[in-house]
Amino acid sequence: EGQLLESGGGVVQPGETLRLSCGASGFTFGMFAMTWVRQAPGKGLEWVASISGSGSFTYHADSVQGRFIISRDNSKNTLFLQMSDLRAEDTAVYYCAKDLSSYCSSPTCYSFDLWGQGTLVTVSS
Amino acid sequence: QSVLTQPPSVSGAPGQRVTISCTGSNSNIGAGYNVNWFQLIPGTSPKLLIFDDNNRPSGVPARISGSKSGTSASLAITGLQAEDEAEYYCQSYDSSLTGYIIFGGGTKLTVL
Repeated sequence: EGQLLESGGGVVQPGETLRLSCGASGFTFGMFAMTWVRQAPGKGLEWVASISGSGSFTYHADSVQGRFIISRDNSKNTLFLQMSDLRAEDTAVYYCAKDLSSYCSSPTCYSFDLWGQGTLVTVSS
Repeated sequence: QSVLTQPPSVSGAPGQRVTISCTGSNSNIGAGYNVNWFQLIPGTSPKLLIFDDNNRPSGVPARISGSKSGTSASLAITGLQAEDEAEYYCQSYDSSLTGYIIFGGGTKLTVL
């Protein structure tokens, strides 16, 4: 079954830094790729970043490339999103999500069968 | 503007059938990449309804189905129920320069 629990959201000013965490339980964390997806107020879902099960491969959306870094600690069953140079347009609920299949080796086949409850990030002066 | 185009809203009466379209291009759906569908109810986390075009995870009822043809995909819900009122998103992969994982703009389903 599994469970994901995000933390680290909050209110920050433009240009500041924030780190989100996602604790996983109930499944073999290191076997699955993980992803961050966000939803801005009144907007749709937007993919942010993904990381392979081993952590060797990472992928970031153009909108966050160079500012956000996805990482993971498989020994602690935890996923991270380091966010720097935050902008007003980064305001959103951030969800972590688990890939459905342990056999999927690239974003071409990712699908997300387990999601956290989300953590709100507000960037405002 | 999303790379995958969905109608902003659809509606249907209880018991009816509704479909939600997801139109892409030759760099995503048309290239053969899988399409997944998610349900999002306000205040809850997204739920996977369909993966790999037309497969249901365990626990998703058979009245929900997915299909794909050419550069488009569709989600169908038959026997509409009040609990189906939600937003629905398609998702795929895009091989263009903007690349990687893409979502549709979302469709609000209203049960009349």
